[in-house]
Amino acid sequence: AQSVTQLGSHVSVSEGALVLLRCNYSSSVPPYLFWYVQYPNQGLQLLLKYTSAATLVKGINGFEAEFKKSETSFHLTKPSAHMSDAAEYFCAVSVKRGAQKLVFGQGTRLTINP
Amino acid sequence: DAGITQSPRHKVTETGTPVTLRCHQTENHRYMYWYRQDPGHGLRLIHYSYGVKDTDKGEVSDGYSVSRSKTEDFLLTLESATSSQTSVYFCAISAGLAGENTGELFFGEGSRLTVL
Repeated sequence: AQSVTQLGSHVSVSEGALVLLRCNYSSSVPPYLFWYVQYPNQGLQLLLKYTSAATLVKGINGFEAEFKKSETSFHLTKPSAHMSDAAEYFCAVSVKRGAQKLVFGQGTRLTINP
Repeated sequence: DAGITQSPRHKVTETGTPVTLRCHQTENHRYMYWYRQDPGHGLRLIHYSYGVKDTDKGEVSDGYSVSRSKTEDFLLTLESATSSQTSVYFCAISAGLAGENTGELFFGEGSRLTVL
C-alpha cells in the first residue's frame, strides 16, 4: 500500500533562512506526489504536484520540490523563509496511478522566527 | 476560491447522538471526499464519492456513513457519535483523477466536531 512519511512534526527556521521539509514515500507504482499547505483555521490548498513530467516542480509562493526516485523522496524547499510561510505542510501520494484518492502524511508544522 | 461550503462549522454533541455534516459544492465536480484531521495523523480518508449514489469506503470508515443524492451535496453521518470521533472534518472535491491536470483536491474550511 502506498504511504507517506514526513520527517519532523515541527520545523523552526529563521526569517530569510532555507526551508527544507522532508517527505519520503512508499509506492509499488510510479507515484503522483503532492504538497499541500494549511494556514490556521483553514482548509488545505495545493502548493505543487508531481505527475511524472519534470522532476523539479515549482509551486506557489516560491516553493519547489524535487522528485528523487532513487531516494523515494519528494522534499519541499524554499530558499528564503518569510513570516507568512508559517503553516502546516502535508505531503500526499496517490493510492495508485489514475486514482481518485490521496494518502496524506502526518504533517509538518513550520515556524518562522524573526 | 473553490465553492465548497461545510455545515455546521462547529458542533458539540453528546455520545450516542446522531450527527450529520453537510458538504455543498457549486463547482459541479465529480469526486467528493470526507477526511478527518487529528494531531499526529494528518488527514485520513473516511469515505469518498465518484458520482451520484456512487460511494466507497476510505481507511477509517467504521462508524460513518455517507450519501450523495445530488452532484452538489455529500453528507457524512455519524449514526451514534463516540468521543473518538471528536475531530475536524474536511470535505474535498476534485474534477478529475489524481494524475490529471484536473485532479487537484480543493478543500472546504472544515467542521469541528466535539463529542462529549
